Amino acid sequence: DGGITQSPKYLFRKEGQNVTLSCEQNLNHDAMYWYRQDPGQGLRLIYYSQIVNDFQKGDIAEGYSVSREKKESFPLTVTSAQKNPTAFYLCASSQGARPSGYTFGSGTRLTVV
Amino acid sequence: AQSVTQPDIHITVSEGASLELRCNYSYGATPYLFWYVQSPGQGLQLLLKYFSGDTLVQGIKGFEAEFKRSQSSFNLRKPSVHWSDAAEYFCAVGAPGYDKVIFGPGTSLSVIP
Repeated sequence: DGGITQSPKYLFRKEGQNVTLSCEQNLNHDAMYWYRQDPGQGLRLIYYSQIVNDFQKGDIAEGYSVSREKKESFPLTVTSAQKNPTAFYLCASSQGARPSGYTFGSGTRLTVV
Repeated sequence: AQSVTQPDIHITVSEGASLELRCNYSYGATPYLFWYVQSPGQGLQLLLKYFSGDTLVQGIKGFEAEFKRSQSSFNLRKPSVHWSDAAEYFCAVGAPGYDKVIFGPGTSLSVIP
């Protein structure tokens, strides 16, 4: 079955370290997105990409970086510059120029220790 | 600019009772509207979507939503709630020419026996 795979499900990081979250999709979707979710809050957009080798900042891009070298993959790096990285991270994808509805991965919970 | 509000942060209903979750949006023309559900520690799942046409939209898991242009609303309904419906529900709005959707803050639903 097609879908989005996020790995790992749980991730622990020491302060000062960079860490990369994986997001892979086999839906042949053009667009991919990264969201951050904190307890009791909605989704905040970090970065998104409409096509390979192109991406745009979302609302809270500071302290994060992404790449889109392949259509299937959109990894997110949480850098040491991110002040409060502990959160639940969600990756999503969609097809076409019209937002037809996102397909989400199951998320990665990042904890800074 | 688009925006989405969900007036109810938390709702508790009895199993078997009817449910209505409110969603209001701000957008000048007819938007694309979505409802998603999120179980604890999971990603979001698309329940239903509205682009145009019939203003009453049927979705998965027995949910429906009605688009009311005059009230700028897209409320989610279910005639009889099951314990498994306990989750977080997000309303989202997109628009022609925009490459991403805006999510509301979410409504947490609890179901009591």
